[in-house]
Amino acid sequence: GAVVSQHPSRVICKSGTSVKIECRSLDFQATTMFWYRQFPKQSLMLMATSNEGSKATYEQGVEKDKFLINHASLTLSTLTVTSAHPEDSSFYICSASASPPGRSSYEQYFGPGTRLTVT
Amino acid sequence: KNQVEQSPQSLIILEGKNCTLQCNYTVSPFSNLRWYKQDTGRGPVSLTIMTFSENTKSNGRYTATLDADTKQSSLHITASQLSDSASYICVVRGNQGGKLIFGQGTELSVKP
Repeated sequence: GAVVSQHPSRVICKSGTSVKIECRSLDFQATTMFWYRQFPKQSLMLMATSNEGSKATYEQGVEKDKFLINHASLTLSTLTVTSAHPEDSSFYICSASASPPGRSSYEQYFGPGTRLTVT
Repeated sequence: KNQVEQSPQSLIILEGKNCTLQCNYTVSPFSNLRWYKQDTGRGPVSLTIMTFSENTKSNGRYTATLDADTKQSSLHITASQLSDSASYICVVRGNQGGKLIFGQGTELSVKP
């Protein structure tokens, strides 16, 4: 239980285009979803926190107009990287938090990540 | 500034050996501490989660300890296997805002 999926797992796009990454909680309803970015040999860095039905809260230094986050339902959040540049190439990981049956109420479950390469 | 520091940065051990990874944190107030395993190109997977009142917690060959007084935690891996090769990340959740604060991770390589 408590599975979080991401799609796609890998994506290559041209500079200037936009790419959308989906994050789904498969067996529970996620009231809160988090988006992280991870560069090689570095730890996860929180980009934004989103609650279902409300606007995302972005961390300092993260451009909200560039990284569009939509959390339209309790099982789906999307991250759209707009006008992508090579420096946006990174590993994007989502995480979902809720209280799946039989699980800790304060657990945060991570997706498998999406490798974005901008050429 | 709230920080989580891990040591060593990287570690190479032979298959079958034990090892211990360290985590020191300055996050205060403190809610809970987690250890995650992250395989290359994958998302983190939870190994253990401990609140301030718990001193030790095991998950198979993984045993985590926590000393909330000294703000130190360790992750002990017993009888290592090749599949244990991964990055091990110590993560602390503070009470204020509830955000997870990540350590830099320890890169463990288990050699045959």
